[in-house]
Amino acid sequence: EVQVLESGGGLVQPGGSLRLSCAASGFTFSTYAMSWVRQAPGKGLEWVSVISGNGGSTYYADSVKGRFTISRDNSKNMVYLQMNSLRAEDTAVYFCAKEGGPHLSKWYRQYWGQGTQVIVSS
Amino acid sequence: QSVLTQPPSVSGAPGQRVTISCTGGSSNIEAGYDVHWYQHLPGTAPKLLIYGNSNRPSGVPDRFSGSKSGTSASLAITALQAEDEADYYCESYDSSLSGWVFGGGTRLTVL
Repeated sequence: EVQVLESGGGLVQPGGSLRLSCAASGFTFSTYAMSWVRQAPGKGLEWVSVISGNGGSTYYADSVKGRFTISRDNSKNMVYLQMNSLRAEDTAVYFCAKEGGPHLSKWYRQYWGQGTQVIVSS
Repeated sequence: QSVLTQPPSVSGAPGQRVTISCTGGSSNIEAGYDVHWYQHLPGTAPKLLIYGNSNRPSGVPDRFSGSKSGTSASLAITALQAEDEADYYCESYDSSLSGWVFGGGTRLTVL
């Protein structure tokens, strides 16, 4: 059974940093891309970032480019999202997801975690 | 303002059929990129309903179906059940943004 579990959320001041973690199990981790999607309060889903199975390719939404960094440790079946220079508008529930699909433009979010809450406020 | 446009809400009585539209543009749906659909009950993990325009993952009832034509896609739900009440999102790849875009979401109410 595929499982995805996020952790690391919390309250952080504007301009601060936070690192989210995502533990995955139930599949050959290094074979699949992994992504982060967020949902701000009262808003819809927003794609944030994706990393390829071997970690060699990463992609970011314009809203987080230059501030967020996605990475993975295939020896631990973990994905991370390092969030720097946080803003109030980054306040959201952050979901980690296992990708499906054969290649980049056909990737989709196949299995999702329950999310971790990030609040950026002074 | 989402790149993909969905109606904010739809409703239907138990047993009825509803459809949710998703309209995009020349850099996403019209460009030929696949459309995917997700079901989300607030406070829970979103669930993949349809991938690759019309494919259902195992375990998703055949009451859910997807289609795509031109600049738009649709999710149809037949034989509505109370448990279908949720938010539904379409998603596609966008070449001008070099990333994925979601629709604004549609709240389905089962009357």
